[in-house]
Amino acid sequence: DTAVSQTPKYLVTQMGNDKSIKCEQNLGHDTMYWYKQDSKKFLKIMFSYNNKELIINETVPNRFSPKSPDKAHLNLHINSLELGDSAVYFCASSQQVFAQPQHFGDGTRLSIL
Amino acid sequence: QQPVQSPQAVILREGEDAVINCSSSKALYSVHWYRQKHGEAPVFLMILLKGGEQKGHEKISASFNEKKQQSSLYLTASQLSYSGTYFCGTERPGNTGKLIFGQGTTLQVKP
Repeated sequence: DTAVSQTPKYLVTQMGNDKSIKCEQNLGHDTMYWYKQDSKKFLKIMFSYNNKELIINETVPNRFSPKSPDKAHLNLHINSLELGDSAVYFCASSQQVFAQPQHFGDGTRLSIL
Repeated sequence: QQPVQSPQAVILREGEDAVINCSSSKALYSVHWYRQKHGEAPVFLMILLKGGEQKGHEKISASFNEKKQQSSLYLTASQLSYSGTYFCGTERPGNTGKLIFGQGTTLQVKP
């Protein structure tokens, strides 16, 4: 019974395309996150939602747009994909905002051709 | 703002001990530790909240010196399953739960 699930697991696409990654958590958590992990394993926060409200919006190109239709779901839409967007994108969730363990999904490996 | 981890990489034999350090230039509210195995998601190990707090998780424990803005992760009698990349994540006061991760420490345990 997967706690945080992301789809798809792999995404191979061409520059300029638009793509979406979906995330769902069944832990009953209030807070969800998107992280980007680059080829050097650097794990960087992109966005965070608490009870469907955006609370963290890091310096991310506006081609990236998160959307949280409800507490259990957080999707990431990326427009006009660029080579530099190639990375692993992790979704995570935590019970509340502060000082809480974060449960990560298995990641979406995005490769731009 | 990114915390600095040291060392960058460690190679151990089974049964040996290791210490991974995490240092921040800013005041901290909490320090989190995660382990990530190759090709997998990061997995939560522990959170430390108070200055001087120490926590344990089987043979893995950690300390947090709030005044020095430093945390250390202690792995004793290492097992093959401890291999992976360890990340510390720091949370600053009033930062709405934003976790900033260090660059990671790769630990390899050999038989």
